Formats: sequence, structure tokens, C-alpha cells
Amino acid sequence: RKEVEQDPGPFNVPEGATVAFNCTYSNSASQSFFWYRQDCRKEPKLLMSVYSSGNEDGRFTAQLNRASQYISLLIRDSKLSDSATYLCVAGVNVGNMLTFGGGTRLMVKP
Amino acid sequence: GAVVSQHPSWVICKSGTSVKIECRSLDFQATTMFWYRQFPKQSLMLMATSNEGSKATYEQGVEKDKFLINHASLTLSTLTVTSAHPEDSSFYICSARGEVEVYGYTFGSGTRLTVV
Repeated sequence: RKEVEQDPGPFNVPEGATVAFNCTYSNSASQSFFWYRQDCRKEPKLLMSVYSSGNEDGRFTAQLNRASQYISLLIRDSKLSDSATYLCVAGVNVGNMLTFGGGTRLMVKP
Repeated sequence: GAVVSQHPSWVICKSGTSVKIECRSLDFQATTMFWYRQFPKQSLMLMATSNEGSKATYEQGVEKDKFLINHASLTLSTLTVTSAHPEDSSFYICSARGEVEVYGYTFGSGTRLTVV
């Protein structure tokens, strides 16, 4: 079983749609959580950190459920430019190690 | 803030040669850098953790004699792929931890290595 699991997709959605990605992690020692965005052939870029209380940044909302070891990302009012692969990341503070999920590919169509 | 500069962006080399990839933290000190490899349509896989002034810690299955890591200063870590073979062709990315709450882990722009 992978340490961080995501549905690879692709998720094909029309512009303006709301789309949600889920992610589960198996290492209960994980303490830091992030969503990264990776465009084709580029490096991952931090989209947002995920806090226990949930957090929102514009059209993006991230939530964490520690009991279920589950992280989610909600994108509202999808734009064409949101098309990318979204990587769920869990980190343990000891050693600062990050474990990446396999990524979920989103394609927003006109 | 928290910029990591990685060079080269891409490199094509002949089988059997060695390739050095550099990562520099430009505006912060990175005591720890991480080296990842990503094959097409796959996720990033951690290869090794590079600690300034000490030996790198390699993940299981990664040959330390093949992938030489040097972290001689707080702002520079290098990965040398020795005696490269076509199966080493991949996207190599470094990462360093800045101020986590604000920047998370900052990645270099990656190096696309093609071994012919």
C-alpha cells in the first residue's frame, strides 16, 4: 500500500465547475500536509499548506481529517489554467521528509 | 523568498559519462536538501536526503556510489550521476525546506536528464 494515495484521474470538468480531490495517508506520524501543483514537465509548486482547522485561499479550500488520515482539496469555479496535476504531500517533522502521492490530473475544458 | 536555483535545466549525455546537477538556495540557508527523481507519469520519489557537512542518507534501492551527493555549504548541494545509462534518464528535482508555514518546501526547477 502506498503511503500517500490519490485517485490519478484524469478529472475532466467544464469551466466553472467545482471539483474535489481526496487523498489518504498511512503514516500516522505525519504532521505537515500540503497540496502542490505540477504542470507538465515542470517542478511542483506549493499550492497551499493544509491545517487541521481547514483553510481557504481564494477558490481553493483544503481540509484535513486526522482521525481518518484524509486530506481534501476543493476547487471552485474552475479555470482553464487550473489544468495540472495536483500532488498531495504528507511530511514528518523528524528528518523533514515529504512523501508524495501519485498526483491527480485535472483537465478543465472550455 | 525561499528560492532554489537548479542547473542545468536539461542535459543530454552519452552512456558511461557523468553528469553533475547543482542546487543552490538563493536567499536562505538550507541545512537539508532533498533529491527526487520523477519518471514520466509517475510521482516524485525521494532518492536521498543531503545534510550540510555530513554524508547523505539514501533511500532503499538508490545506489550511493552511482548517485554522489555533496552538500559542502549551507547553500549548495550537488548530485552527480556517475556512469550514466539510458535507464537513468529522468527528471531530477531538488528541494529544500524554507519557512514551512509560508513557503513549504521549495523545489528547484528540475533537471531533465537524457542518456543516449
